Amino acid sequence: DAKTTQPPSMDCAEGRAANLPCNHSTISGNEYVYWYRQIHSQGPQYIIHGLKNNETNEMASLIITEDRKSSTLILPHATLRDTAVYYCIVRASNTGNQFYFGTGTSLTVIP
Amino acid sequence: NAGVTQTPKFQVLKTGQSMTLQCAQDMNHEYMSWYRQDPGMGLRLIHYSVGAGITDQGEVPNGYNVSRSTTEDFPLRLLSAAPSQTSVYFCASSYSIDLNTEAFFGQGTRLTVV
Repeated sequence: DAKTTQPPSMDCAEGRAANLPCNHSTISGNEYVYWYRQIHSQGPQYIIHGLKNNETNEMASLIITEDRKSSTLILPHATLRDTAVYYCIVRASNTGNQFYFGTGTSLTVIP
Repeated sequence: NAGVTQTPKFQVLKTGQSMTLQCAQDMNHEYMSWYRQDPGMGLRLIHYSVGAGITDQGEVPNGYNVSRSTTEDFPLRLLSAAPSQTSVYFCASSYSIDLNTEAFFGQGTRLTVV
């Protein structure tokens, strides 16, 4: 199964773009990259997902490298409410199509 | 449209007691699942269901039972609670189990077993 590697923590200044990296060097061709976040101990919140192409929605942008071995989640204008743990997940058929959460990146947005 | 609703939000049990954590969704989703989250860790899959009448085990199924008699509900049963089951429990649902389908999570049930 394709595992992910994320930095344990990051800081970002309020109003600046937050760029959260994720390495998934063993990803296979049909596996999707998902991003979720968890604020305090609330339920995980879906942000965005993609297969090959870059994706954008009202919350964030997802940039996937051409070889698909890494991706970056971009929060274009970080606010204090974006302080959370961000999880990068590779969803794979060889693990039953399940979501397997690692320990994520703890993002702190600084005023 | 309430999404995924979990009850109760908080519960304290004594060792050996039984209880059921409730999970309901109103989005007509086929796929539902239960996770637990321990301090400083990510979520771990307990059980899941791909439709009414179908359930299967995840990573950490021991000590938990599930059933899926309707599309809307997916209760999680602890038959004899143990302190090791102290955790925060999250229920999730999605339209299907397909790789290209996002899941939506409830707000969690914080369980303490003393």
